[in-house]
Amino acid sequence: QVQLQESGPGLVKSSETLSLTCTVSGGSISGYYWSWIRQPPGKGLEWISYIYYNGYTNYNPSLRSRVGISLDTSKNQFSLNLSSVTAADTAVYYCARQVDYSNSPYFDFWGQGILVTVSS
Amino acid sequence: QSVLTQPPSASGTPGQRVTISCSASSSIVGTNAVNWYQQLPGTAPKLLIFNSNNRPLGVPDRFSGSKSGTSASLAISGLQSEDEGDYYCATWIDSVNGPLFGGGTKLTVL
Repeated sequence: QVQLQESGPGLVKSSETLSLTCTVSGGSISGYYWSWIRQPPGKGLEWISYIYYNGYTNYNPSLRSRVGISLDTSKNQFSLNLSSVTAADTAVYYCARQVDYSNSPYFDFWGQGILVTVSS
Repeated sequence: QSVLTQPPSASGTPGQRVTISCSASSSIVGTNAVNWYQQLPGTAPKLLIFNSNNRPLGVPDRFSGSKSGTSASLAISGLQSEDEGDYYCATWIDSVNGPLFGGGTKLTVL
């Protein structure tokens, strides 16, 4: 059974960079896409970015200028950087495995989520 | 702008059948499949339906999905108290080459 676990600071100061890592266990990073998704308190889900095991990346256009995603296959990890954060970036951040299926890829395994609060 | 619209809330009594709709804006080409996620209180989302009407292993057949044109629906039959939570539809946006989630529907079991 594939498991994902997010890690990183739960508190980030405004204007600084949010950095999170997702560790994948029970399976290999190879062959799949890996995504970051966030959920502000009391609100819905927002896709942030994904990375393919070969390094191909894509970003939500609304966040593209501030987001970076990377992969470390030797550690079975992938990471997210979000720069110049504001209070609007306060959210639970999830990492998830993305299955490239038909014309609508889906997320079959999710991490438990990590709450990141941006403080002023 | 691409939007997936869901009703903010739905409700039903135990044993009842409820449906949750998901409507795509005209800017989204209606050929891509829809996926559904269930988020129980305090937990991460869980894949419920993929490719509009397929259930992953372990998802009860009480849950079913359908799609017609730019609209999709999730049906839950034999409603149970443990079904209470939030339900999200999602589809792939070709112009972005990424996924888009609906706003979510909060299901209450009365």
